[in-house]
Amino acid sequence: RKEVEQDPGPFNVPEGATVAFNCTYSNSASQSFFWYRQDCRKEPKLLMSVYSSGNEDGRFTAQLNRASQYISLLIRDSKLSDSATYLCVVKKGGSYIPTFGRGTSLIVHP
Amino acid sequence: DAGVTQSPTHLIKTRGQQVTLRCSPKSGHDTVSWYQQALGQGPQFIFQYYEEEERQRGNFPDRFSGHQFPNYSSELNVNALLLGDSALYLCASSPGTEPYEQYFGPGTRLTVT
Repeated sequence: RKEVEQDPGPFNVPEGATVAFNCTYSNSASQSFFWYRQDCRKEPKLLMSVYSSGNEDGRFTAQLNRASQYISLLIRDSKLSDSATYLCVVKKGGSYIPTFGRGTSLIVHP
Repeated sequence: DAGVTQSPTHLIKTRGQQVTLRCSPKSGHDTVSWYQQALGQGPQFIFQYYEEEERQRGNFPDRFSGHQFPNYSSELNVNALLLGDSALYLCASSPGTEPYEQYFGPGTRLTVT
């Protein structure tokens, strides 16, 4: 089983839709969680860190479920500019090595 | 405030050659990590430098080596290039403390022919 798993998609949604991605991780010692956004042939950009209590940044909400070992990203009122690949990142406590998922592709169409 | 910078942006090399990639971290960051990203995959961790030493290494052969300078900038060296080394090489900087939020440079696209 891979350490971090994501559905590669693509998720094809109309503008204004709400879309959610999940990311599962296998190591229960994981302590830090992040979502990154990567546009085609560009570098990943930090979207948000994921805290135990969940966090929200505008239209984006991230949740952590330690019992089931997954994190989620919810995007409300999707915009065309949200089209990108969303990478889930997980890091074990005591390790400096973050593990990236392969990403979930989102396409928002008019 | 300058972000992470990398050079060169593109590079074409022949099998067996050696390459050096460069990275300057974001202002205030003292930790630099290097990643290899193949098409359609997430970035794979190569190694991380902190206080001019390799702090942790991923599952990459010794052909991949690096260095960090006193100003925190870093180099990635790859010897004896293979076709499979063709990828986007990303540098990320972070502060040296948890949660180690990383900020990436634009990457160097390496093609080995």
